[in-house]
Amino acid sequence: DILMTQSPDSLAVSLGERATINCKSSQSVLSSSNNKNYLTWYQQKPGQPPKVLIYWASTRESGVPDRFSGSGSGTDFTLTISSLQAEDVAVYYCHQFYSIPHTFGQGTRLEIK
Amino acid sequence: EVQLVESGGGLVKPGGSLRLSCAASGFTFSNAWMNWVRQAPGKGLEWVGRIKSKTDGGTTDYAAPVKGRFTMSRDDSEDTLYLQMNSLKTDDTAVYFCTTFLGLHPYWGQGTLVTVSS
Repeated sequence: DILMTQSPDSLAVSLGERATINCKSSQSVLSSSNNKNYLTWYQQKPGQPPKVLIYWASTRESGVPDRFSGSGSGTDFTLTISSLQAEDVAVYYCHQFYSIPHTFGQGTRLEIK
Repeated sequence: EVQLVESGGGLVKPGGSLRLSCAASGFTFSNAWMNWVRQAPGKGLEWVGRIKSKTDGGTTDYAAPVKGRFTMSRDDSEDTLYLQMNSLKTDDTAVYFCTTFLGLHPYWGQGTLVTVSS
């Protein structure tokens, strides 16, 4: 199984400041056949389903503010929020669907400092 | 617009059974590989299983905690995915989401709550 490890587990950032969440996979999730990383970032707020923020590791979902960005390839990935807004308070998950079983990071809780 | 709508959740006693449904629309369901993902209260996300399209063999894969107890199936004539859950345990209490990837882009339903309690 591919283990997805996020860091940190929780994060408190001041409004307007940068927030960075890391995700490391125990094996590469980069496909050699199409050069795509099978890695998605989700945002989840209480009582809601996960919302897609970033797919293919770095492609922003339509309608997602451009303060959200994803980077990385292979085994190391980063979600960056360039200027934290109050509505960004949530839990963030990375997810690999490169191989079965699909696996998720444990989640990173983002709060306002 | 892609839509996935789960139903069938509810309260069931330990050892009981329940069948979840996921009605799909907005895409060619018969071509899609479908997944179930669950989330226990206050916990993270856990993949439950996957079913391939019939053209790709229609085979299923399951997470270890549910293998032998849960069965995924699909009715392509009704654009519906199913999850038959037997021998339910209290640990199976969760919101169950139906998901798919179209062109490697993920889509999720809103989820349905399953509570296993005596």
